[in-house]
Amino acid sequence: SQTIHQWPATLVQPVGSPLSLECTVEGTSNPNLYWYRQAAGRGLQLLFYSVGIGQISSEVPQNLSASRPQDRQFILSSKKLLLSDSGFYLCAWSGRMNTEAFFGQGTRLTVV
Amino acid sequence: AQSVAQPEDQVNVAEGNPLTVKCTYSVSGNPYLFWYVQYPNRGLQFLLKYITGDNLVKGSYGFEAEFNKSQTSFHLKKPSALVSDSALYFCAVRALLSGGSYIPTFGRGTSLIVHP
Repeated sequence: SQTIHQWPATLVQPVGSPLSLECTVEGTSNPNLYWYRQAAGRGLQLLFYSVGIGQISSEVPQNLSASRPQDRQFILSSKKLLLSDSGFYLCAWSGRMNTEAFFGQGTRLTVV
Repeated sequence: AQSVAQPEDQVNVAEGNPLTVKCTYSVSGNPYLFWYVQYPNRGLQFLLKYITGDNLVKGSYGFEAEFNKSQTSFHLKKPSALVSDSALYFCAVRALLSGGSYIPTFGRGTSLIVHP
């Protein structure tokens, strides 16, 4: 069966520090991968998606970047965090037929 | 643009009563529709989907959803609510981007509160 791992679960970082959140998927090949941010426990904002290794599409301009160094690994990064980067970050994957998505447990990021 | 709308920020229902969480969609072509549930500080969990076939779709935890093409709706339902059903519910559609990729696009979410 397929599983998705996202870590860490919580993170407190000072303003100006770097960020690296990692997400890995097991039990499937060539998944579509996504990073979402959820503010205030409500709507999901798509940040990045990837349909293959090294292929990253960004949906909104921001202080963040994403990389996909391996087929089932998706990394969200920042060189210098801003207060406004605080939020709940969710990684997800879907199959090539683009039907349902499966989510990681999320990372609560607080920038102080 | 393909999108879904959830007109209610919050739905309150008494335990044991039927519940409905509303969703309408705007899609060109045949819609791929989904429902997800999110518990506090957790990722979203897939509940059910409609792609084709029977308009009444059954999913996890006793939930079901009815696809109505004429009303462009995909409401989530459960015959008898449980307190443990209290959570945030998201409707989603498979949306086609300009680059040719499909991505899941979510509604704003509806908070379901089931009172004992």
